[in-house]
Amino acid sequence: SAVISQKPSRDICQRGTSLTIQCQVDSQVTMMFWYRQQPGQSLTLIATANQGSEATYESGFVIDKFPISRPNLTFSTLTVSNMSPEDSSIYLCSVVDLGFYTEAFFGQGTRLTVV
Amino acid sequence: KQEVTQIPAALSVPEGENLVLNCSFTDSAIYNLQWFRQDPGKGLTSLLLIQSSQREQTSGRLNASLDKSSGRSTLYIAASQPGDSATYLCAVRQDRGSTLGRLYFGRGTQLTVWP
Repeated sequence: SAVISQKPSRDICQRGTSLTIQCQVDSQVTMMFWYRQQPGQSLTLIATANQGSEATYESGFVIDKFPISRPNLTFSTLTVSNMSPEDSSIYLCSVVDLGFYTEAFFGQGTRLTVV
Repeated sequence: KQEVTQIPAALSVPEGENLVLNCSFTDSAIYNLQWFRQDPGKGLTSLLLIQSSQREQTSGRLNASLDKSSGRSTLYIAASQPGDSATYLCAVRQDRGSTLGRLYFGRGTQLTVWP
């Protein structure tokens, strides 16, 4: 299994500002993902973080709003830009090491409140 | 597009009961299925992973079954305890090469076990 450290665990931010969330994994992993969980909802995939290249975004999510970096196989960041109250959610980093089991592991999440 | 449904949405039971949580999915071409637990405001903890070729997996008081052809999975919790109170999420991974890593989530079953 992989151990994922996600920072910050929570934050309260002013509208119009940006927040960068970090995801650190204790081992090299093939795939990293960023999900959003809005209040009372299930998880929605934002993007796949690709090492050394631009992230692959899902429909409804754009790079200008959610820029993602992945400089190596153990680290990624997600930035939530120009925040509004609608961005208040839990943001979760997930890793998958492709193999027979292909099991996903999640960080503890970042609880973001925009005021 | 894969759609995952979980029934019931919420469940409240006294301690000691045996529970059944249901998950259904529309596209049976899955690689595997995972059950997760999420405590309020927290990340996801992987409970059980079932490969598409398997019928069931067991871990302690938890047993998950998979009927891939009918698009169903069931999570059994034996002798429930107050510490089992959490939201239980079902997620499937598609059997597609380029999107093998991503998960499709249900909305979860919110479980409350009272003493």
